[in-house]
Amino acid sequence: KQEVTQIPAALSVPEGENLVLNCSFTDSAIYNLQWFRQDPGKGLTSLLLIQSSQREQTSGRLNASLDKSSGRSTLYIAASQPGDSATYLCAVEWVVRTSYDKVIFGPGTSLSVIP
Amino acid sequence: DVKVTQSSRYLVKRTGEKVFLECVQDMDHENMFWYRQDPGLGLRLIYFSYDVKMKEKGDIPEGYSVSREKKERFSLILESASTNQTSMYLCASTRVSGGLAVLLGAFFGPGTRLTVL
Repeated sequence: KQEVTQIPAALSVPEGENLVLNCSFTDSAIYNLQWFRQDPGKGLTSLLLIQSSQREQTSGRLNASLDKSSGRSTLYIAASQPGDSATYLCAVEWVVRTSYDKVIFGPGTSLSVIP
Repeated sequence: DVKVTQSSRYLVKRTGEKVFLECVQDMDHENMFWYRQDPGLGLRLIYFSYDVKMKEKGDIPEGYSVSREKKERFSLILESASTNQTSMYLCASTRVSGGLAVLLGAFFGPGTRLTVL
């Protein structure tokens, strides 16, 4: 059975720190993995998508890496800012040969950056 | 710059009422999705549609139905609302047709927080 977990569930850091969020998944035969950001009471905003053939993606202060063999992805945030405070979700997509792709979202990590 | 809109941000309904949640996207996407999000459970797929008048059940379709009469609009219907349907409902769309690359280029709406009393 495919599952996606995220650790930690919540994280509080002082402004300026570098931090790492973790996403783990069972079944390493993934197709895509995507990191999203969700502000309180809002929808999801796409941050970075890593396709199965890629090892990492970067956008500004964000870097996402993928290790399929160990079933893990990390989201690295450099020089954190209060505006980074949000919930970060990872979503994993698997191809299903006889049906539509399976997508499972992790439960999220709630990040609070303290000024 | 608006891409995916949902008809209401907050909605309060009574048990037994018929509830319509509307989602509209302006990107000419083929795929549209309805999710619900609950604390500790993450996002769970209710229904999705890959074309006009086409629909597929997701992981938790019970108690819900959908309608897609036009490409840009995807409606979620609660035939008889119950208290366990109190949740945040999120609509999403993607530009790739069929089952491949569902996550690629996904845009989400702002969500509708539904409370059923």
